[in-house]
Amino acid sequence: KAGVTQTPRYLIKTRGQQVTLSCSPISGHRSVSWYQQTPGQGLQFLFEYFSETQRNKGNFPGRFSGRQFSNSRSEMNVSTLELGDSALYLCASSSASGSTGELFFGEGSRLTVL
Amino acid sequence: QKEVEQDPGPLSVPEGAIVSLNCTYSNSAFQYFMWYRQYSRKGPELLMYTYSSGNKEDGRFTAQVDKSSKYISLFIRDSQPSDSATYLCAMSSFNRDDKIIFGKGTRLHILP
Repeated sequence: KAGVTQTPRYLIKTRGQQVTLSCSPISGHRSVSWYQQTPGQGLQFLFEYFSETQRNKGNFPGRFSGRQFSNSRSEMNVSTLELGDSALYLCASSSASGSTGELFFGEGSRLTVL
Repeated sequence: QKEVEQDPGPLSVPEGAIVSLNCTYSNSAFQYFMWYRQYSRKGPELLMYTYSSGNKEDGRFTAQVDKSSKYISLFIRDSQPSDSATYLCAMSSFNRDDKIIFGKGTRLHILP
């Protein structure tokens, strides 16, 4: 069974640009969650999508947005990039929504903002 | 006060030693407790989970939850170099409308 796939794995952007990250969950999983991981703040929850609906949202500014498609694939977008957005962005899929299921993580997309 | 506190380490111990990793939390609604392991350049993977208070053992790993003290622990017996990784505690209220909260993670080095 294929795991969670995230693309791209690495990317470099400059301040003010925008970026779109993609996540393909495990087949059959309808929940996709996004996390930002930094050395200072650890793993912070961005949002969760379940069956194309945003179920939960973390404390991030509106520049961070996401969506989920009918095949459960998800994208997240960050607009007007800031230096502080440099981080590892992790996607996790689950067979259950909210905090009731095991999270299966991808290897992440490492974003560097210059 | 953060919801979940975890010492970031790094923690270095010799091979074969018993390792103790800990987290404290403030939200009394948490009842589902997990430990994830993250190797370098990889995503976290679930290692163990427990509901409410008590102990759970799986091979060399033991997870312990003390809800009265809001304190959870992970013990690793006979530690191996392959156990070198970052260990993240995680917890939630086990609710469909809630999210899983992670600690910052403890970097562990097992010295051969």
